[in-house]
Amino acid sequence: EADIYQTPRYLVIGTGKKITLECSQTMGHDKMYWYQQDPGMELHLIHYSYGVNSTEKGDLSSESTVSRIRTEHFPLTLESARPSHTSQYLCASSVLGQGSVPYEQYFGPGTRLTVT
Amino acid sequence: KNQVEQSPQSLIILEGKNCTLQCNYTVSPFSNLRWYKQDTGRGPVSLTIMTFSENTKSNRRYTATLDADTKQSSLHITASQLSDSASYICVVSDRGSTLGRLYFGRGTQLTVWP
Repeated sequence: EADIYQTPRYLVIGTGKKITLECSQTMGHDKMYWYQQDPGMELHLIHYSYGVNSTEKGDLSSESTVSRIRTEHFPLTLESARPSHTSQYLCASSVLGQGSVPYEQYFGPGTRLTVT
Repeated sequence: KNQVEQSPQSLIILEGKNCTLQCNYTVSPFSNLRWYKQDTGRGPVSLTIMTFSENTKSNRRYTATLDADTKQSSLHITASQLSDSASYICVVSDRGSTLGRLYFGRGTQLTVWP
């Protein structure tokens, strides 16, 4: 099991609420990621970070925001939740990697978000 | 367009039987290909990572093959167990470093019946 944690595991919340999904890892990894996954569909990268104070948008446009104040912590925030945000959110981390050597990406257990 | 296609979409087999899952990709340039296992409600867990020069890699009862010429990979599961029931995801990277992008397939949902 990888040392990467997500809380809460399940969240049901009403439209318009502000939510923060927590992700932390104890492996000292520099790079962290947030993915969104709907049932039966592929993972889509929504945010990533190369290290402290670094955040980048991923391939899938998302209304969420992220921050990276500490190496081990990469929270995702939705200022005003909508039903269209209902999905599974997966956090992952990896070492930075060098050259052509493949780097292992470790995933957390995910947060299942339902917005009513 | 860089894509990863997996087949079949779903598969049901009896415990103890073998099965093979397929992955075709159009990602270019190609750096490496990964197979992940994702249990329901959990995050994916890596099974194998294969680079261009590797055409077979085993991890316990899982054997992955890669044909970089035809851009195809397969995952063979031997003597299936009930715990093998999960989604198996094929992922292709276009570069080895974390500057590269990962392209995810939609997965094959495997169900093992007793």
